Amino acid sequence: AQSVAQPEDQVNVAEGNPLTVKCTYSVSGNPYLFWYVQYPNRGLQFLLKYITGDNLVKGSYGFEAEFNKSQTSFHLKKPSALVSDSALYFCAVPGPGTYKYIFGTGTRLKVLA
Amino acid sequence: ETGVTQTPRHLVMGMTNKKSLKCEQHLGHNAMYWYKQSAKKPLELMFVYNFKEQTENNSVPSRFSPECPNSSHLFLHLHTLQPEDSALYLCASSQFDLQGDTEPLHFGNGTRLTVT
Repeated sequence: AQSVAQPEDQVNVAEGNPLTVKCTYSVSGNPYLFWYVQYPNRGLQFLLKYITGDNLVKGSYGFEAEFNKSQTSFHLKKPSALVSDSALYFCAVPGPGTYKYIFGTGTRLKVLA
Repeated sequence: ETGVTQTPRHLVMGMTNKKSLKCEQHLGHNAMYWYKQSAKKPLELMFVYNFKEQTENNSVPSRFSPECPNSSHLFLHLHTLQPEDSALYLCASSQFDLQGDTEPLHFGNGTRLTVT
């Protein structure tokens, strides 16, 4: 069965420092992996996806994610965090049908000024 | 207007009430979804409609009743809810590609439901 795990409930980082939000996956076949962000009182917004090709995927708002097949990980990264990046981040993988998504439990990112 | 619009943004209802949540997408997508987001729980997929046909009912209690009259509109009819049904209900849409490409979900801002 497809699944993703986000091992950290919360990540704190100082503004200007690099940030990493972790995600590991378990899929059968080739993995399709997604990151979404949820700001307060809003729905989820798509950030980026990995389908195939380069292991480093670039997305919106300066975020990127590194696909690592040997470690079955797809960590979200940003070189320099902003206070406005504070939000809830979700890793996701399509389920048994390509139109169904399985989400991780979410990681709350707090960027401290 | 673009994107996915959900109304109302907030709803308070008693356990004996009947209410409906509305979702409209202006993206030309062919699949629509209802998700439930509760505090400290993973996002729960409730229903999926693909080309207006319900293709997924994820063991949702019958007090939740979805309706998809066309590919742009999705409703969630609520009746005799329980306090534990209080949550953020999110609607989403996507373009399901018959060739198997996986497109991202586009979410509305949700309806915050409180059952008293």
